[in-house]
Amino acid sequence: KNEVEQSPQNLTAQEGEFITINCSYSVGISALHWLQQHPGGGIVSLFMLSSGKKKHGRLIATINIQEKHSSLHITASHPRDSAVYICAVRVREGGSEKLVFGKGTKLTVNP
Amino acid sequence: KAGVTQTPRYLIKTRGQQVTLSCSPISGHRSVSWYQQTPGQGLQFLFEYFSETQRNKGNFPGRFSGRQFSNSRSEMNVSTLELGDSALYLCASSLQGLRQSEFFGPGTRLTVT
Repeated sequence: KNEVEQSPQNLTAQEGEFITINCSYSVGISALHWLQQHPGGGIVSLFMLSSGKKKHGRLIATINIQEKHSSLHITASHPRDSAVYICAVRVREGGSEKLVFGKGTKLTVNP
Repeated sequence: KAGVTQTPRYLIKTRGQQVTLSCSPISGHRSVSWYQQTPGQGLQFLFEYFSETQRNKGNFPGRFSGRQFSNSRSEMNVSTLELGDSALYLCASSLQGLRQSEFFGPGTRLTVT
């Protein structure tokens, strides 16, 4: 079982819809990251959070540490939001830290 | 401010060869992390360098190594290439490392034949 599970794997929406992408993890973490990867391959870091909620424009990220769950919401979705959204958790292993990634959610927003 | 740059962008190598990839971080950033992305495994963390020292390491064999120079530029080396090493290799930089959001480079697409 993967340490980080994302759902759904694929999501198609109409422009203007409210989008939710979920991320569940099974290990203790020190932080969670949400990343966006466009078709060309470029990755942008959207959020890093360890508790509560963060908002940036139309994007909102929440995390519930007790339930080991995070959600990424997109309000008023737009075709330019079409991308793969990746959840990553920062875990401590031995004396080292590393990021463990989910498989990603491919979002397509149609006009 | 210039972004993270990686060279080369594309590379074709033969099984058994070795390869060196280069990453120049954003000016002032002292941390450089390396990641491998494949269709099957997705993104995986390779290692992180901070002030010329490897600070964190993922679960990759010793064929994968790296180093960081005093100007924070980093190189990643893969020796004895295998077909399964074909991937997009991404580097990312930040001021302080994994405890911050990182800025990603465009990646180097490595194909091993």
